[in-house]
Amino acid sequence: DAGITQSPRHKVTETGTPVTLRCHQTENHRYMYWYRQDPGHGLRLIHYSYGVKDTDKGEVSDGYSVSRSKTEDFLLTLESATSSQTSVYFCAISESQGNSYNSPLHFGNGTRLTVT
Amino acid sequence: AQSVTQLGSHVSVSEGALVLLRCNYSSSVPPYLFWYVQYPNQGLQLLLKYTSAATLVKGINGFEAEFKKSETSFHLTKPSAHMSDAAEYFCAVRNTGFQKLVFGTGTRLLVSP
Repeated sequence: DAGITQSPRHKVTETGTPVTLRCHQTENHRYMYWYRQDPGHGLRLIHYSYGVKDTDKGEVSDGYSVSRSKTEDFLLTLESATSSQTSVYFCAISESQGNSYNSPLHFGNGTRLTVT
Repeated sequence: AQSVTQLGSHVSVSEGALVLLRCNYSSSVPPYLFWYVQYPNQGLQLLLKYTSAATLVKGINGFEAEFKKSETSFHLTKPSAHMSDAAEYFCAVRNTGFQKLVFGTGTRLLVSP
């Protein structure tokens, strides 16, 4: 496995509370991504980062924010959790050597978040 | 905009039978295409990728995929299914100039003895 650690692996929280998920990589890859996986929707991109302090929105970014203060860490924050954010969240990384467009993403094992 | 469509949310085969999982892409420029596999309670693993070097791409675990520009397809095949192939499979596309990888909705492969 690529050196990607997601924490926590499981989280149950209440509606309205803030939640932060962490992704840590040991590969020194430039690009990092947060996806959510829901039945019938596949994986949808929430936010991604192309360097320290450089981030951009994906297709389902509303209600989420991210931060990347170090190359190895990419944090996803749910500012005020809602039941619609119950999902499995995956972090992914991608290298930047050469033609980065054909570089595959490597995924962590996911965080299962339940908002009650 | 780039996108992929996976036909069939579930595919059932018998052990030893041919596996065919369909993926069609939409892209205004030559795409980079990927197939991933996800086993229960795990992240996604790369099966294979198409990067224009060859239209027939061989991946891990005996899988292969053929890029057909005329059909805008990148179907995944395996000659003989094994019980261990039961998993969910995702097709994904990325265009030059975009770092985002766009996924299809996935196809769950069921293998019966």
